[in-house]
Amino acid sequence: QLQLQESGPGLVKPSETLSLTCTVSGGSISSANYYWSWIRRPAGKGLEWIGTIYYSGSSYYSPSLKGRVTISLDTSKNQFSLRLNSVTATDTAAYYCGGRSFYFMDVWGKGTTVTVSS
Amino acid sequence: QSALTQPPSASGSPGQSVTISCTGTSSDVGTYNSVSWYQQHPGKAPKLMIYDVSKRPSGVPDRFSGSKSGNTASLTVSGLQAEDEADYYCSSYAGSNNLVFGGGTKMTVL
Repeated sequence: QLQLQESGPGLVKPSETLSLTCTVSGGSISSANYYWSWIRRPAGKGLEWIGTIYYSGSSYYSPSLKGRVTISLDTSKNQFSLRLNSVTATDTAAYYCGGRSFYFMDVWGKGTTVTVSS
Repeated sequence: QSALTQPPSASGSPGQSVTISCTGTSSDVGTYNSVSWYQQHPGKAPKLMIYDVSKRPSGVPDRFSGSKSGNTASLTVSGLQAEDEADYYCSSYAGSNNLVFGGGTKMTVL
């Protein structure tokens, strides 16, 4: 059974870089059957798609975050990662990693809360 | 501002049917049959309830159904149960490798 787990700092200073990792267990991140995604939910707001990466390394990003976001794979550790540059308070959110298709995710991590504050 | 428009709230009594709408444009919902619905309970991860407009993943009760007409997709919950009280989100492929979500609907079981 595929399982995902997010990890990373819960507090990031404004203007710095938010870095999160999603560890995949029960399956290979190199599987052609899966796309791997990051989604966030700011407090009191709805879900927002951040971006998606395929096993080949091809990555796709939300137009609203493009230029600040990078998603990458680490096949040796069976992980994929999110980096979001130049963060502000508006990037405070619960961050989730998910997997399956580009169009939907049926496997999710439990989520991790990231607060942007000095 | 969310790309897809959902009503902020919906409610029904146990046993009733409730439908949540998700309105997009001809650039997303109206063109692509890649609409999904997620259920999220407080403090929990989202759970996929419907994909490809009307398909149910294994394990999702058949009380949940999805449909689409024009630029509007809908999620119907029949035989409402207490555990259905949650936030519901729609999403749609929007072309050009872009995925968009709705603002969410808080479902209350009266």
